[in-house]
Amino acid sequence: EIVLTQSPATLSLSPGERATLSCRASQSVSSYLVWYQQKPGQAPRLLIYDASNRATGIPARFSGSGSGTDFTLTISSLEPEDFAIYYCQQRGNWPPLTFGGGTKVEIK
Amino acid sequence: EVQLLESGGGWVQPGGSLRLSCTASQFTFSSYAMNWVRQAPGKGLEWVSSISDNGDNTYYADSVKGRFTISRDNSKNTLYLQMNSLRADDTAVYFCAKDWGTRGWYSGFDLWGQGTLVTVSS
Repeated sequence: EIVLTQSPATLSLSPGERATLSCRASQSVSSYLVWYQQKPGQAPRLLIYDASNRATGIPARFSGSGSGTDFTLTISSLEPEDFAIYYCQQRGNWPPLTFGGGTKVEIK
Repeated sequence: EVQLLESGGGWVQPGGSLRLSCTASQFTFSSYAMNWVRQAPGKGLEWVSSISDNGDNTYYADSVKGRFTISRDNSKNTLYLQMNSLRADDTAVYFCAKDWGTRGWYSGFDLWGQGTLVTVSS
């Protein structure tokens, strides 16, 4: 089973700042990695698929990079609505499909 | 509106059964692999099961294998999850979710339902 480790667990930032979230896989998942945003009481929302492609309707301030075992989600300038929990998920080597433990982006 | 709507959640005693349904609207349901993902209260996301577009291929997390069965009825645009021998650690919100691409397995899910809560408790 591929384990995804997200860091940091919590990121405390102010609106307008840059957020950099990391996801590390225990073995290569090629580029079959996605990022989701989840707000309280809501379903996850797909942000990035195949490591670096923005999903439909996702603002350009969200970007993804990486391949193999190391991936990054960057939010270039945080908007108030971006404070949420972010999860990475892989399907490069499955089953099982696995999720990371999440990074909470909170207002500083 | 393109959407997924789950139903069938509720309270059940340990050892009991429930069947969840997920009805799809406004997209070609039969062209997409479908999935169930759950989230225990206050916890992260956990993949439960996936089924191919035609229903021929199914996969399960080890934690539910042998107890849960995923299925679909493409004529009714509906996905199912039959859950048997339920345990307290199955308590979670269960989401159905659609693969982002057609006719195959894709990296992630671009459409999610609102979730249905399953509570297993005596």
